[in-house]
Amino acid sequence: GAVVSQHPSRVICKSGTSVKIECRSLDFQATTMFWYRQFPKKSLMLMATSNEGSKATYEQGVEKDKFLINHASLTLSTLTVTSAHPEDSSFYICSARDSASGYYNEQFFGPGTRLTVL
Amino acid sequence: AQTVTQSQPEMSVQEAETVTLSCTYDTSESNYYLFWYKQPPSRQMILVIRQEAYKQQNATENRFSVNFQKAAKSFSLKISDSQLGDTAMYFCAFMRGTSGSRLTFGEGTQLTVNP
Repeated sequence: GAVVSQHPSRVICKSGTSVKIECRSLDFQATTMFWYRQFPKKSLMLMATSNEGSKATYEQGVEKDKFLINHASLTLSTLTVTSAHPEDSSFYICSARDSASGYYNEQFFGPGTRLTVL
Repeated sequence: AQTVTQSQPEMSVQEAETVTLSCTYDTSESNYYLFWYKQPPSRQMILVIRQEAYKQQNATENRFSVNFQKAAKSFSLKISDSQLGDTAMYFCAFMRGTSGSRLTFGEGTQLTVNP
């Protein structure tokens, strides 16, 4: 099956620093990738939709200057949390849609990144 | 906008028994997909089963089956012969039937399978 990786799996940083999370589709091309945030024992909250070669579409209430998304190739999207603060601590998950899958566009999920901001 | 509701925050079942997880949704779309995802303690999201709205037949994947009631906008998941490895958070999700559509998730149901 299709595989999506995320790097790093876990990161701890100091308040005020920036952190970059990578999402890669390993064996398929992904025109569209999605970034989610998940709090403990809660559901996934969509942050933004990332489209290759164009600007990301952010959900209402998500600060685009805080969460920078770049989808520079068909296999890589990055999420940069800028000037991170403790309230940004969370579990971040990406998913990728297989561009060649036809009408039904199944999303494949990465294993997630746990961000802790001290 | 679409909404997905899971009214059971937690459920438990004995190993080898059957359990049903509930999900209702609200949409004005006629073409859409419904999913059940499993998130074990590793937190990797795993697709359990998928249902196309235009199909009347309920989807089945081994021990997992759904009861899709389109008119009632209900989409329950039945797990037969529950196994310890089924312990996980289960999310019901909706997706419009247009290219590139987003997933809308329910709040989740934490299922614990007891030995």
